[in-house]
Amino acid sequence: QSALTQPASVSGSPGQSITISCTGTSSDVGADNYVSWYQLHPGKAPKLIIYDVTTRPSAAFNRFSGSKSGNTASLTISGLQPEDEAEYYCSSYKVGSITWVFGGGTKLTVL
Amino acid sequence: QVQLQESGPGQLKPSETLSLNCAVSRYSITTGYYWGWIRQPPGKGLEWLGSIYASGSTHYTPSLKSRITISLDTPKNQFSLTLRSVTAADTATYFCARHTPAAMWEWGQGIQVIVPS
Repeated sequence: QSALTQPASVSGSPGQSITISCTGTSSDVGADNYVSWYQLHPGKAPKLIIYDVTTRPSAAFNRFSGSKSGNTASLTISGLQPEDEAEYYCSSYKVGSITWVFGGGTKLTVL
Repeated sequence: QVQLQESGPGQLKPSETLSLNCAVSRYSITTGYYWGWIRQPPGKGLEWLGSIYASGSTHYTPSLKSRITISLDTPKNQFSLTLRSVTAADTATYFCARHTPAAMWEWGQGIQVIVPS
């Protein structure tokens, strides 16, 4: 199954905001609200930062916000900090097939 | 906090069978939730491989359906991944995770598996 489409890289300066897009189809991203986002630092376990399109799992991710329009979901990180430099992945559940799909990943560089 | 830890061989030869385990702490794997395997090849993105529900029902990514088996080991409170006939394309870091349809809530640290070409 095809991966969701994300930009390969984005960058921003400390204090700025950036947005990462995640484009799927009406069978996954557009089908329901089962869109989630993950942060990957090298050598560490991935962290869930957004689920159900907009919900943060903890207050530790208050600078992270999610949204969706049609078949495209987005992750916005405000007030960029050096520790935000990581890879970010979106994921969606495909209700009809009981499968999950990830995006290709976006490398965030904090300049 | 639920903890997951992958274990298995770090390297195997082409055509061999990869077997990985994911030990789960602080939660019984038969209580609920999906238990899944995800991998990340070098320089590439995450790929969901398959999941097993607490009841034992399994779901696999279509491209691997002929080679993959995920099972529960309830006495040891762990679940396993078996991937047959590996090739260099199966070289990746393999993660296990506890999840629901909404999200993958907790992940293991990952285990690197190398299959030389």
